[in-house]
Amino acid sequence: QVQLVESGGGVVQPGRSLRLSCAASGFFFSSYGMHWVRQAPGKGLEWVASISYERSDEYHADSVKGRFTISRDNSKNTLYLEMNSLKPEDTAVYYCAKDLPSRHCSNGVCYPDAFDIWGQGTMVTVSS
Amino acid sequence: DIQMTQSPSSVSASIGDRVTITCRASQDIRSFLAWYQQKPGKAPKLLIYAASSLQSGVPSRFSGSGSGTDFTLTISNLQPEDFTTYYCQQADSFPFTFGGGTKVEI
Repeated sequence: QVQLVESGGGVVQPGRSLRLSCAASGFFFSSYGMHWVRQAPGKGLEWVASISYERSDEYHADSVKGRFTISRDNSKNTLYLEMNSLKPEDTAVYYCAKDLPSRHCSNGVCYPDAFDIWGQGTMVTVSS
Repeated sequence: DIQMTQSPSSVSASIGDRVTITCRASQDIRSFLAWYQQKPGKAPKLLIYAASSLQSGVPSRFSGSGSGTDFTLTISNLQPEDFTTYYCQQADSFPFTFGGGTKVEI
């Protein structure tokens, strides 16, 4: 079945780095854009980053720009989030999510209409 | 960035009731709005996309409407498993943004 499984979370000190992975199965990974969304404890959902199916386009939230980098390896069916210079406010459950096949394009950029499959999440705690 | 404002933040209801949740965008997002359901400790689940399209496998008691800046999610005939939190998300442009969430309580 279609599945996303995140890994790599843990407890890390402020200023350190962490790399999250998201292993995909049950669908043609290289045909879909992928995303990271996070949720701080007791808070709502925050979009973090997106990458196009062919890796040519990457987008990051202002809150992580310059510190986090989304990437993917289509040969390994895996999505990554490299997180550097971590701050306490980065503490959250990090979910990876897949494009809904339905999408729309505007000004040369294509957007999914929603995220249809989500992983179970991996917890990142930034604390000294 | 497009701000998404959900209301109410919580609503009390009973089994069999009809509940309406509203989401307002700070600018025109056409029909590019999605609704998700999230149960405690679980990942969000897609309910509605493109404002009114029901995701495959989602019960027909869930429906969405709206366009431009004002959208609604309606849950008819509330079932016990529906008492949880709902989020809207604009998919019009980056950065994608979510509403603050609505908790449906008994």
